[in-house]
Amino acid sequence: EIVLTQSPGTLSLSPGERVTLSCRASQSVSSSYLAWYQQKPGQAPRLLIYGTSSRATGIPDRFSGSGSGTDFTLTISRLEPEDFAVYYCQQFGAFGPGTKVDIK
Amino acid sequence: QVQLAQSGAEVKKPGASVKVSCKASGYTFTSYTMHWVRQAPGRRLEWMGWINAGNGDTKYSQRFQGRVTITWDTSASTAYMELSSLISEDTAVYYCARAPSNSGWYWNYWGQGTLVTVSS
Repeated sequence: EIVLTQSPGTLSLSPGERVTLSCRASQSVSSSYLAWYQQKPGQAPRLLIYGTSSRATGIPDRFSGSGSGTDFTLTISRLEPEDFAVYYCQQFGAFGPGTKVDIK
Repeated sequence: QVQLAQSGAEVKKPGASVKVSCKASGYTFTSYTMHWVRQAPGRRLEWMGWINAGNGDTKYSQRFQGRVTITWDTSASTAYMELSSLISEDTAVYYCARAPSNSGWYWNYWGQGTLVTVSS
């Protein structure tokens, strides 16, 4: 069973900053099945990235994904106020614990 | 447009069962697999299982095997998730979710969530 871990647990940042979120798998996983979601309080998750680096429909290009093997990254090039949320990585039936990005 | 509309909040006693519905619209229901994902307060998302709405095949997470049953009604374009032998740790928001393709393992369509509270 694959276990996903994410780091850091929480990031306190200011609008305009660049952020890099990490997702590590307990064993090598297929890049085709690594996805990232954004979730805000009281809302369902929103798909951002699938297949490690493909942006979902309507997702701004400030969001990008990369990685392979066991290490994957979600980058937000310039934080907008609406980007403060929790971010989860996912591969098949496994989700990471999430990284909370909050306002400094 | 694709929409997944879930049933309302439930309060159940320990040991009881709960059945949550997910009514699909805006696409051909039988052409896609429907997944169920839950989120307990302050915890990570957990995948529970899926149903192939075309033929009724199901697959469940080992964590919920024996307690979860996913069914469907094609005439109503609705999927159902029933969880039995409820315990307090089953208190969570339950979501149905659909992938952009029938075999996809990422979900771009989500229901609004159904809060299930287990309390004596």
